Amino acid sequence: AQSVTQLDSHVSVSEGTPVLLRCNYSSSYSPSLFWYVQHPNKGLQLLLKYTSAATLVKGINGFEAEFKKSETSFHLTKPSAHMSDAAEYFCVVTWYGGSQGNLIFGKGTKLSVKP
Amino acid sequence: GAVVSQHPSWVICKSGTSVKIECRSLDFQATTMFWYRQFPKQSLMLMATSNEGSKATYEQGVEKDKFLINHASLTLSTLTVTSAHPEDSSFYICSANLAGEETQYFGPGTRLLVL
Repeated sequence: AQSVTQLDSHVSVSEGTPVLLRCNYSSSYSPSLFWYVQHPNKGLQLLLKYTSAATLVKGINGFEAEFKKSETSFHLTKPSAHMSDAAEYFCVVTWYGGSQGNLIFGKGTKLSVKP
Repeated sequence: GAVVSQHPSWVICKSGTSVKIECRSLDFQATTMFWYRQFPKQSLMLMATSNEGSKATYEQGVEKDKFLINHASLTLSTLTVTSAHPEDSSFYICSANLAGEETQYFGPGTRLLVL
């Protein structure tokens, strides 16, 4: 069975400090993993994706994530938080060859950035 | 590229009326589109998968007669909430993917408020 767990429902950091949003997955197949960001009252924007190429994936806005198969993790990081990073972040898993639409969403992590 | 739009972005209606939401892929053809529902502070829930020229596939627990989906062209899918009630108030988001890709591109969402 496929599942994804976002370990923190809320993360609060100060502007200029590092960001770490944790995500663990479970998949019987080779997974594809995504991070999406959702600003208030907005749709989802793709930050980055892992699809069996390089394990360290760089995305937009300075975010990156590392796929660690041994730890079944895909944590999202950013060296220095900006106020505009405050949003909800979703870790999503699907699998190669899976039925289209079988995106499994984490419950989301709300990131707050303090001045 | 891969831009998905939704219209309207906001809709307020009276209980018992029907509301149509449009989802368009602006710069690509989408043979498959997806409709999600998101309640406040929750993750996205897949409602149905919409295939161009055929009937939509609904997830378990989603009433197909309540949420009518039409995918008449490769760039347009519509979701009609029939006889809307206050409990249908939610944030409805559509997505589409490029042929052969797993990445889904999301629309900005439509917020429905039923009075």
